[in-house]
Amino acid sequence: SSELTQDPAVSVALGQTVRITCQGDSLRSYYASWYQQKPGQAPVLVIYGKNNRPSGIPDRFSGSSSGNTASLTITGAQAEDEADYYCNSRDSSGNHRVVFGGGTKLTVL
Amino acid sequence: QVQLQESGPGLVKPSQTLSLTCTVSGGSISSGSYYWSWIRQPAGKGLEWIGRIYTSGSTNYNPSLKSRVTISVDTSKNQFSLKLSSVTAADTAVYYCARCVAVAGTDAFDIWGQGTMVTVSS
Repeated sequence: SSELTQDPAVSVALGQTVRITCQGDSLRSYYASWYQQKPGQAPVLVIYGKNNRPSGIPDRFSGSSSGNTASLTITGAQAEDEADYYCNSRDSSGNHRVVFGGGTKLTVL
Repeated sequence: QVQLQESGPGLVKPSQTLSLTCTVSGGSISSGSYYWSWIRQPAGKGLEWIGRIYTSGSTNYNPSLKSRVTISVDTSKNQFSLKLSSVTAADTAVYYCARCVAVAGTDAFDIWGQGTMVTVSS
């Protein structure tokens, strides 16, 4: 399969920890990357590979992977973390394409 | 630092060809091992990968769009381009160009353009 599945919506209380998941067969072979997208803005890379943060991304963002599931964890969620989050990975079916998950809307309460 | 900027018509008629260009500034499109990609997002929906090109000219396309898509690169102008033929209203979306790096066991889009809205309508 070449699809990635995400929960459509997740909520978290301010200051608490939230995990956003991404499932797909390709994740058994490749790591995911994660993007944060706020309304009207382009996506921003927040995590790539096993658990790598680009420069400027707060260390409350972390990634992990197990089996066919990749996870993005926000430890101590802030109001500014309210956004849509997307995962992507390489497609493992051999056709050299990239696949995105459907996105998760994170609400910080 | 490297920046990307999309340009092209914001309105395309049905059955015509959508053409967009992404200009890379702050660095050479030929330097490093990057794939230069197009991604789109219909209003209120998720991201859809369209395809990518390496500076050698090799391309990969989304199988669902492959018959209609052509991505090319002009290293002399530091640009890469998207052509999508036979468009319909379903192709209405914000189109992003992005730099993709194969790193740490994944394909990561580390730099994005601001996006350009393309509407397909007569």
